[in-house]
Amino acid sequence: DAKTTQPNSMESNEEEPVHLPCNHSTISGTDYIHWYRQLPSQGPEYVIHGLTSNVNNRMASLAIAEDRKSSTLILHRATLRDAAVYYCILGNYGGATNKLIFGTGTLLAVQP
Amino acid sequence: NAGVMQNPRHLVRRRGQEARLRCSPVKGHSHVYWYRQLPEEGLKFMVYLQKENIIDESGMPKERFSAEFPKEGPSILRIQQVVRGDSAAYFCASSPIGQGGANTIYFGEGSWLTVV
Repeated sequence: DAKTTQPNSMESNEEEPVHLPCNHSTISGTDYIHWYRQLPSQGPEYVIHGLTSNVNNRMASLAIAEDRKSSTLILHRATLRDAAVYYCILGNYGGATNKLIFGTGTLLAVQP
Repeated sequence: NAGVMQNPRHLVRRRGQEARLRCSPVKGHSHVYWYRQLPEEGLKFMVYLQKENIIDESGMPKERFSAEFPKEGPSILRIQQVVRGDSAAYFCASSPIGQGGANTIYFGEGSWLTVV
């Protein structure tokens, strides 16, 4: 499985934008980039995913580098409820299984 | 979490007993996944099932653990003769008919197993 690299932790202030980086230099042409987050004592929650183009939804935006070797999850205005572990994961289109392999993620702390 | 239901939410078992964790996927989803999260650790894939079939069990411990997803009813993760090291949060997830790498997986709230 292709690997991703994320900072262990980041801090943000409430109401400010947050940019969470992810490196995936060994990404293949059929790998999708997925982001999930896990709040304390809860199950992971889908945030966003994309293949080549930037993506936006009600939760966040995903900016994908032109060479696809890195991506950035953007939370436009952080709230205290956004404090969570954020996981960047690669999913292989057409792979033998649909499982997603989680790394250690980035622990985001949001200060009031 | 998009309708994946897990029960029990919390389970306490004595060493040597059996633990059964149940998972009802989102209505219409035919793919189920089980993940384990040990205290202070990340999520580890255990098994991927479709109705009546185990597709990938590469993350399942070789002994004492089994999983099924019958034609009718919930998916079951069964742990026989539990030991203290089995204490963890067990998360079930489901997805619709496979979409390859574009697959979005929806997780339940988890079942917290404590072995005393």
